[in-house]
Amino acid sequence: ETGVTQSPTHLIKTRGQQVTLRCSSQSGHNTVSWYQQALGQGPQFIFQYYREEENGRGNFPPRFSGLQFPNYSSELNVNALELDDSALYLCASSSRGRGEKLFFGSGTQLSVL
Amino acid sequence: TQLLEQSPQFLSIQEGENLTVYCNSSSVFSSLQWYRQEPGEGPVLLVTVVTGGEVKKLKRLTFQFGDARKDSSLHITAAQPGDTGLYLCAGAWSGGSNYKLTFGKGTLLTVNP
Repeated sequence: ETGVTQSPTHLIKTRGQQVTLRCSSQSGHNTVSWYQQALGQGPQFIFQYYREEENGRGNFPPRFSGLQFPNYSSELNVNALELDDSALYLCASSSRGRGEKLFFGSGTQLSVL
Repeated sequence: TQLLEQSPQFLSIQEGENLTVYCNSSSVFSSLQWYRQEPGEGPVLLVTVVTGGEVKKLKRLTFQFGDARKDSSLHITAAQPGDTGLYLCAGAWSGGSNYKLTFGKGTLLTVNP
């Protein structure tokens, strides 16, 4: 148990729809990172939030957006879903200034039909 | 684009055998992490290596960081079925943040009883 919870665990959407995924970070952690893991691949960095602001972004289009709230929980929003967005979306929390350990949630499995 | 290559991609062995998996890059890492991921779960951090030539042991697992900090290996002695999983290496490069990791595709290990 990492203390990082993600919801929902599974989600089915159709192409063109919008989706919001949620993450509650581990107590005491102020940084949240989101990763996309396609089948048979390693996780790919989407973006990171620190103190409610985006702090670094990977090679993902603007239709991937996020938020971090004052309690350090976070949301990942994806607009205009495409079939290739089908993947496991992982949230990881960490504490800046206290080492580089990432604690991952179990992920949200998104299927786009 | 900085890439991490892991080999082998798949490995199926019998209980009690030894194995080594590799992680390589053409760039120098500032630090490298190894994770294990089980189906339906997020990756779990096993170890972080920072210093070139560093060796760390975690029970039957031995992690080595190359002298030039471009490669790493994970050796498992007397593998057990509980070692089955996806082993991922993740690197951070000088000038970047240790929180923004680039993952390899992973080695899927199956240990048969």
